[in-house]
Amino acid sequence: NAGVTQTPKFQVLKTGQSMTLQCAQDMNHEYMSWYRQDPGMGLRLIHYSVGAGITDQGEVPNGYNVSRSTTEDFPLRLLSAAPSQTSVYFCASHSLGPPADEQFFGPGTRLTVL
Amino acid sequence: ILNVEQSPQSLHVQEGDSTNFTCSFPSSNFYALHWYRWETAKSPEALFVMTLNGDEKKKGRISATLNTKEGYSYLYIKGSQPEDSATYLCADTTSGSRLTFGEGTQLTVNP
Repeated sequence: NAGVTQTPKFQVLKTGQSMTLQCAQDMNHEYMSWYRQDPGMGLRLIHYSVGAGITDQGEVPNGYNVSRSTTEDFPLRLLSAAPSQTSVYFCASHSLGPPADEQFFGPGTRLTVL
Repeated sequence: ILNVEQSPQSLHVQEGDSTNFTCSFPSSNFYALHWYRWETAKSPEALFVMTLNGDEKKKGRISATLNTKEGYSYLYIKGSQPEDSATYLCADTTSGSRLTFGEGTQLTVNP
């Protein structure tokens, strides 16, 4: 199993550009989520999905879109990048309980918006 | 408690010291409590998932306890080593799906 994979690992964008961060998992997990990690703020949930065709907003959804057309993939789209979106982005997945299961994280994407 | 809170925010100990930190969470609608270890420049790795009141889990020198009635969990590290230096995150779930993370406790173990 590859687990949770994310691409790219690093990205530099100019303000106003759009891009998609890719996330895939091969563990047949129903639940997938996107977090951003900023200094002093821990992990903040952007969007999540409990299954194909179902997505919902987390704490900080503005400026991001997601879709879940398959169980495996959960891409995160930045519509018009802003410097405030400079962050490290983590994708994660886990199976829905019971029993409660651990969440697996991808390696992260470090995004810089100039 | 409305959110997941962790204390202390940071901790510096000497190699060989034992240490512990706290995670507080809302006790209503509790489903599970997760502990993660997060090293710099890596992704978080799961340590424990705990669901039962009074549960205690152990992995090597690291152990955790859970009190769901009062809404807290303790993480203990016995005989800290420099390689234990990391941020330790806890997260709760109320339905088995969405996790709410605390801000973490940053542990530094000095040789």
